[in-house]
This record gives sequence, structure tokens and C-alpha cells, in this order.
Amino acid sequence: DTEVTQTPKHLVMGMTNKKSLKCEQHMGHRAMYWYKQKAKKPPELMFVYSYEKLSINESVPSRFSPECPNSSLLNLHLHALQPEDSALYLCASSLDRITEAFFGQGTRLTVV
Amino acid sequence: GQQVMQIPQYQHVQEGEDFTTYCNSSTTLSNIQWYKQRPGGHPVFLIQLVKSGEVKKQKRLTFQFGEAKKNSSLHITATQTTDVGTYFCVGNDYKLSFGAGTTVTVRA
Repeated sequence: DTEVTQTPKHLVMGMTNKKSLKCEQHMGHRAMYWYKQKAKKPPELMFVYSYEKLSINESVPSRFSPECPNSSLLNLHLHALQPEDSALYLCASSLDRITEAFFGQGTRLTVV
Repeated sequence: GQQVMQIPQYQHVQEGEDFTTYCNSSTTLSNIQWYKQRPGGHPVFLIQLVKSGEVKKQKRLTFQFGEAKKNSSLHITATQTTDVGTYFCVGNDYKLSFGAGTTVTVRA
């Protein structure tokens, strides 16, 4: 199983809503990542988890809250988002932080 | 911090022609990875280069890591329509920071 599964694939939420994005992998990878990608731009790193601990937060606003409940799961909790937060949110995992990363299909988020 | 610059930003290629995209880092890299993202898709890993001067080939794709480990290139020969997409170099500073990418379109 070389898949990273992200749910949901699409999400529309209001600015007062609370929602969560989910990412799952069963490859035994110990590093997991959240990226944000706007149209025609490269993926922009948000968070890195290593061995279930948050190791990098790229100065992401607190309305985005990551969580790593176990080694296979990564969540991104969303609260009070702005329309400019609309983007493709990509999850990735790698065996460690220097090997190839596998990306999920992404969640396309629209904030209205 | 590390910055990885990638040129050109766009590459319009006639089918059957060759092209090269270049990646330059402001600092020495421990390794460099290349990913491809098709339109509407997600990044897919292509290759990782680790050694100074390393050259790796995947069919029509040739990847090179510079002697000083500060630059890398991807050369594609005999471009096909299946090569359409954006190619990213990723300087691995333990953060997987993406370069700006080269978006390739192919004229049949």
C-alpha cells in the first residue's frame, strides 16, 4: 500500500464553520506534512510532523490547527477561515525527513 | 534560510524537441528531489540525487546534481504530450521546500 488518503476531496465551508481535513497512510512513514497550494503556485509548506511530534510550523495562522493522533493519521482542524484560505490542501508522508515523499490527492477547500 | 530558484518558469515545447529546466540553491544541499505535478493532480516523486556530480536517467529524463551540490537540472529528450505538467525541484533541508516549478506545455 503506497497510498496517502485524504478526505474529504472537496469542502465548502463558511467563515464561521469548524471543519477538519484528514490524512491517512499505512506505509510506516514517520514524517508527515501539510501543504497549501494556490492555483499556478508551488506547494507551500505549513507543518511537519516527525515521529508524531510537531517539528516545523511555518508561521501558519492559528486558525489552522494540526494534530497527529497516531503514526498513521494527520488532521488539520480549520476554524474561522478567510476566503483567501481557499486552496488545495495537500498531505504528504515520507519514511523519514530525507527520503521521497508520497502525496495524497488533496482536499480542495473553498471558504465562502 | 535555503532558497531554491528554478528556471524557466514556463517552457513551451514542440513535440519531439528536447528541453532542460534548471534549479539553483543559495546553499549547499544534502540532496535534491524532483517531482512532477500533472494539471489537476498532486506532486509525484521522480528522483532523488544525493552525490556530488550524480547523473541519473529515467527513460527520456536525465537528472544531474552539480559538483558543488548547489544546482541541478532535468533534461527531457524527444518531448511527448505525456510530459505535460509542472516539474518541481525540492531542496531537501528537512522541510521539503518546493522551488517555483517549470510548467511544460507541448505543441503537437
